Amino acid sequence: GAVVSQHPSWVICKSGTSVKIECRSLDFQATTMFWYRQFPKQSLMLMATSNEGSKATYEQGVEKDKFLINHASLTLSTLTVTSAHPEDSSFYICSAREVSGAGNTIYFGEGSWLTVV
Amino acid sequence: RKEVEQDPGPFNVPEGATVAFNCTYSNSASQSFFWYRQDCRKEPKLLMSVYSSGNEDGRFTAQLNRASQYISLLIRDSKLSDSATYLCVVNRAGGFKTIFGAGTRLFVKA
Repeated sequence: GAVVSQHPSWVICKSGTSVKIECRSLDFQATTMFWYRQFPKQSLMLMATSNEGSKATYEQGVEKDKFLINHASLTLSTLTVTSAHPEDSSFYICSAREVSGAGNTIYFGEGSWLTVV
Repeated sequence: RKEVEQDPGPFNVPEGATVAFNCTYSNSASQSFFWYRQDCRKEPKLLMSVYSSGNEDGRFTAQLNRASQYISLLIRDSKLSDSATYLCVVNRAGGFKTIFGAGTRLFVKA
């Protein structure tokens, strides 16, 4: 079946540095990918919709200059957390939409744990 | 008001019990509906889609009431392995944004 891969699975970085998380659709082309974050014991919160070849659409309250999203190809979207702070520590998950004759299916990556120290 | 609302639980049930989860959504234009399961510190995984006619997959039954904007999930004969968080998920029409409910935690005990 379709697979979405995220990398890295775990990352620890120092405050003030930037961290890039990759989301790849391995066996299908995804014109649309989504980025979520999840704090402990809370639900997934949609951060932004990543559109191939165009600017991402951010949800209200999400700083676009802090969370940079690039969707340069049909199989790769990246999320860069710039000038990371400890409060950015969270579980970040991407999903990708596969469009097929059967309709639209959303597949999730395995998630990336970010710890900012 | 949240776009998708669920009872957070937790639900503590013995093995073999039947348990039901409810979910409401506020956007009447929502297009498609799902239940996902999320285990601790893992990504969500699709459990089942939800159709207006109702659908069943083994011990799991999902129902959708568009008029009331209400979705349900019924689990029969609960197993220990059913312990997880169950997420009600709604796709917005057009843009296919996926919106998650806060999740309902289920603990099945021996």
